[in-house]
Amino acid sequence: SQQGEEDPQALSIQEGENATMNCSYKTSINNLQWYRQNSGRGLVHLILIRSNEREKHSGRLRVTLDTSKKSSSLLITASRAADTASYFCATGSPRAGSYQLTFGKGTKLSVIP
Amino acid sequence: DTGVSQDPRHKITKRGQNVTFRCDPISEHNRLYWYRQTLGQGPEFLTYFQNEAQLEKSRLLSDRFSAERPKGSFSTLEIQRTEQGDSAMYLCASSPLGTGGDQPQHFGDGTRLSIL
Repeated sequence: SQQGEEDPQALSIQEGENATMNCSYKTSINNLQWYRQNSGRGLVHLILIRSNEREKHSGRLRVTLDTSKKSSSLLITASRAADTASYFCATGSPRAGSYQLTFGKGTKLSVIP
Repeated sequence: DTGVSQDPRHKITKRGQNVTFRCDPISEHNRLYWYRQTLGQGPEFLTYFQNEAQLEKSRLLSDRFSAERPKGSFSTLEIQRTEQGDSAMYLCASSPLGTGGDQPQHFGDGTRLSIL
């Protein structure tokens, strides 16, 4: 079953603009990860934020996590056409010995040159 | 680091046939995962291996599905008596051992299964 819900389902922006995607989840988590998927390809890991962290940066990416609201956001600054892809949040289980990730349905981002 | 490799990339078969997919993880990764992804959805967890031991299975993994990882290297996923609903992308991922289950997973490009 899907744990996370990304919002919006689809987003279209001009190159150079910022893109913000949100993720909400239902149960307690160990960590939250964001992945990118280009059409017909596998997923590429972008960033991981642990449940005791509030914000993390990696290059043009900024991720926030609010465990009280069970939500996270991914900000991509100065977007490029190459950022066009689907973006998924995935939560890691806090259950000992469980390493599965539970993914949301994704946000489809289109960056128009 | 040659990445996670999956074979075949595409498989078309008739309903009722058996299919087998192969995954070669990144060589130093102890953990290997199988996920299934249908159109417009995120991946759904199927099963997970640590070395050769299958430690976690989803209830999605019906008795028609079986996965193995002999010798803790490559893995195979077999689907017996395929059904229309098995049409999906089957993704394999691997990760190194880590603490707290917080290692990023490295995905292959998947095997797309189409059932006629």
